[in-house]
Amino acid sequence: AQKVTQAQTEISVVEKEDVTLDCVYETRDTTYYLFWYKQPPSGELVFLIRRNSFDEQNEISGRYSWNFQKSTSSFNFTITASQVVDSAVYFCALIMVPLGGATNKLIFGTGTLLAVQP
Amino acid sequence: ETGVTQSPTHLIKTRGQQVTLRCSSQSGHNTVSWYQQALGQGPQFIFQYYREEENGRGNFPPRFSGLQFPNYSSELNVNALELDDSALYLCASSLGHTNTEAFFGQGTRLTVV
Repeated sequence: AQKVTQAQTEISVVEKEDVTLDCVYETRDTTYYLFWYKQPPSGELVFLIRRNSFDEQNEISGRYSWNFQKSTSSFNFTITASQVVDSAVYFCALIMVPLGGATNKLIFGTGTLLAVQP
Repeated sequence: ETGVTQSPTHLIKTRGQQVTLRCSSQSGHNTVSWYQQALGQGPQFIFQYYREEENGRGNFPPRFSGLQFPNYSSELNVNALELDDSALYLCASSLGHTNTEAFFGQGTRLTVV
């Protein structure tokens, strides 16, 4: 079975602090993709990153960075020098590469609510 | 903006009623997936439509049904509404059912009273 676990329900930090959001996944497939989405109060899921299972290189995009470790089945997300605008719910998600006519459905974790205080 | 639009944005219905939610996919996308997000939870896959046919379904009862039209827009219908159906309903469009890059709309918040 496939599963995504985000153990941190809520995190509160003060602006300019660094914060890491944890994500642990389970799958027996060798080919899959991992995602992070941001969900502001408006509700829309904003795509942040997609990483395939064969690419374990860490990635940095501005203040955002991601650490993918297959050995521990983790895909953690770090925000450096957090800002109030980073306040949102963040979701980690997993998708298997479908074979034939199979459906490519996203499997989400339960999300982490990040509150950045001024 | 993703180019995926959903209507209405908010809706209040009474238990036992029926509801139709709509989604216009991003231009050129032929696949629409629907997700239900209960309060405090992650989105759960309902079903997917690819080229006007259902192409996979999650663990939802038959009273959740859908349609996809020739222009690839889609509807989600829920019959005999229950209180637990109260949730944010999200649609995502992609180019092809095997494409892992999906773009989400802003969602429809349904409240069943």
